Amino acid sequence: SQQGEEDPQALSIQEGENATMNCSYKTSINNLQWYRQNSGRGLVHLILIRSNEREKHSGRLRVTLDTSKKSSSLLITASRAADTASYFCASSPSGGSYIPTFGRGTSLIVHP
Amino acid sequence: GAVVSQHPSWVICKSGTSVKIECRSLDFQATTMFWYRQFPKQSLMLMATSNEGSKATYEQGVEKDKFLINHASLTLSTLTVTSAHPEDSSFYICSASSTSGETQYFGPGTRLLVL
Repeated sequence: SQQGEEDPQALSIQEGENATMNCSYKTSINNLQWYRQNSGRGLVHLILIRSNEREKHSGRLRVTLDTSKKSSSLLITASRAADTASYFCASSPSGGSYIPTFGRGTSLIVHP
Repeated sequence: GAVVSQHPSWVICKSGTSVKIECRSLDFQATTMFWYRQFPKQSLMLMATSNEGSKATYEQGVEKDKFLINHASLTLSTLTVTSAHPEDSSFYICSASSTSGETQYFGPGTRLLVL
């Protein structure tokens, strides 16, 4: 299975702190994406990082990709209470299929 | 960004009835649409992939006669849960991707409760 595994499963921090979530996958990928899901809602696309990229930034988000370790991390800097949500990584296997496989997600709670 | 809508957002039905969920891409043509199922506090499980004008490809363990998928146009796909039972109660989410296929845009989800 290509399923990614997020770590930690749950993370609780104070507003202003940084939050780091990790994701591991099993086989070679074409790209890896991070999504956010508020409770009971659909997913919002955050960042896509391709297999030949090592780091990408978007506002307070920083994503890294280490293909040698088959892992990725999502860093949210200066967290806000509004960042409270579940975060999922989704890896798309190399070889033509773009269908990504989602990990179990990290539940982030940011206390005001 | 691309917008995908789902309708209805929630539905309660009696056991044995059929429920249809619509997924629409509002501002782009979706070559491929995906249907997912999500149980509380769990990840998304891909149910099927549908390409416009062709039969859906179902994931292992998903009954195609139970979950009917129609992708009749580049902006609309429907999922029909036939003869719903309480164990079909779940959060159903669709997503759509354009020709490039790299990024999926998700709908807001439909919560189904079968009594």
